[in-house]
Amino acid sequence: DGGITQSPKYLFRKEGQNVTLSCEQNLNHDAMYWYRQDPGQGLRLIYYSQIVNDFQKGDIAEGYSVSREKKESFPLTVTSAQKNPTAFYLCASSAPGQGNEKLFFGSGTQLSVL
Amino acid sequence: ELKVEQNPLFLSMQEGKNYTIYCNYSTTSDRLYWYRQDPGKSLESLFVLLSNGAVKQEGRLMASLDTKARLSTLHITAAVHDLSATYFCAVEAGANSKLTFGKGITLSVRP
Repeated sequence: DGGITQSPKYLFRKEGQNVTLSCEQNLNHDAMYWYRQDPGQGLRLIYYSQIVNDFQKGDIAEGYSVSREKKESFPLTVTSAQKNPTAFYLCASSAPGQGNEKLFFGSGTQLSVL
Repeated sequence: ELKVEQNPLFLSMQEGKNYTIYCNYSTTSDRLYWYRQDPGKSLESLFVLLSNGAVKQEGRLMASLDTKARLSTLHITAAVHDLSATYFCAVEAGANSKLTFGKGITLSVRP
């Protein structure tokens, strides 16, 4: 089955630690996105990538980093510089020319601070 | 900066009754999306509205877009328990077609 897989489902971060959230898709989509969701809030864009080896900052990129070495993979690292990382993180992808009309979301990762 | 507002933020609905929820936004756009989210789950695409006057219907839900008023409505007909969820609207605008999400409206259907 085609889809987007995020792992882990739950992740705990200690003070000063970097953690990496995985996002893999087998939909052959070019564009991939990372969103952050806080309770009672809408989604906010962290980073996005339209093509392999290229990515752009979204609205709240500070304290996060990404890479796009393979088309199917777009991992997000939450660095120690992100002082308030507790949130629900959603990865999404879309096909060429489809843009937001065909945006597929993963099942999310809940990140909490110990 | 584009602002997307949804209201009300929480709505308790009685089974069998009709309701309307709203999404308004602050800048020109003719592309608006509705999503549904169940607690702890991902987002599910409900409607894609791509022009002024667009109307889409799926089951008990009907969405419409008025780009002149910068307003989208989601009408619920004869609410049932299965419709309990949080509903987000998202507006596409800007050079990179970025989506800006509202805070969501949580619907709860009671018997």
